[in-house]
Amino acid sequence: RKEVEQDPGPFNVPEGATVAFNCTYSNSASQSFFWYRQDCRKEPKLLMSVYSSGNEDGRFTAQLNRASQYISLLIRDSKLSDSATYLCVVNGGAGNMLTFGGGTRLMVKP
Amino acid sequence: DADVTQTPRNRITKTGKRIMLECSQTKGHDRMYWYRQDPGLGLRLIYYSFDVKDINKGEISDGYSVSRQAQAKFSLSLESAIPNQTALYFCATSGRNTEAFFGQGTRLTVV
Repeated sequence: RKEVEQDPGPFNVPEGATVAFNCTYSNSASQSFFWYRQDCRKEPKLLMSVYSSGNEDGRFTAQLNRASQYISLLIRDSKLSDSATYLCVVNGGAGNMLTFGGGTRLMVKP
Repeated sequence: DADVTQTPRNRITKTGKRIMLECSQTKGHDRMYWYRQDPGLGLRLIYYSFDVKDINKGEISDGYSVSRQAQAKFSLSLESAIPNQTALYFCATSGRNTEAFFGQGTRLTVV
């Protein structure tokens, strides 16, 4: 079993739709959690950190469920520019290091 | 200036040649990483280092070596490049429980 797992997608949604991604992690000792966005052939960039209390940044909402060991990302009112791959990242897990999920690809269509 | 700088940004080299990719960071973090990404696939960890005297193999270290010359510098070498090492290479740095910061990547083509 991979340490951090994501549905690879692609998720094909129309503009304006709401879409949710989940990510599960295997190490209960993991300390910190993040969502990254990666555009084609570009470096991953931090989208948002994920806290137990949940956090929201505009159209994006991230949640952490430590009991069930999953992280979620909700995107409301999808824009064409949201098309990208979204990476779930866990820090402080096995070996106390950074671990990436395989990414979920989102395609927003007109 | 970028937090993480990779050089070169693009490189074409011949099979059998030795090549070094360099990475430097200004975040002051102890941890540095090298990843490889092939088209349509996720990041795969090549090597990582938790401090200047620490080097660890990742999931795909064969054919690669690294050097941590200083806290801020972490270089990746291909001793004898082969075509299936053609890929996009990323360097990253993080703290113990912080987010990671990535360089802009090096596009390497081995012909």
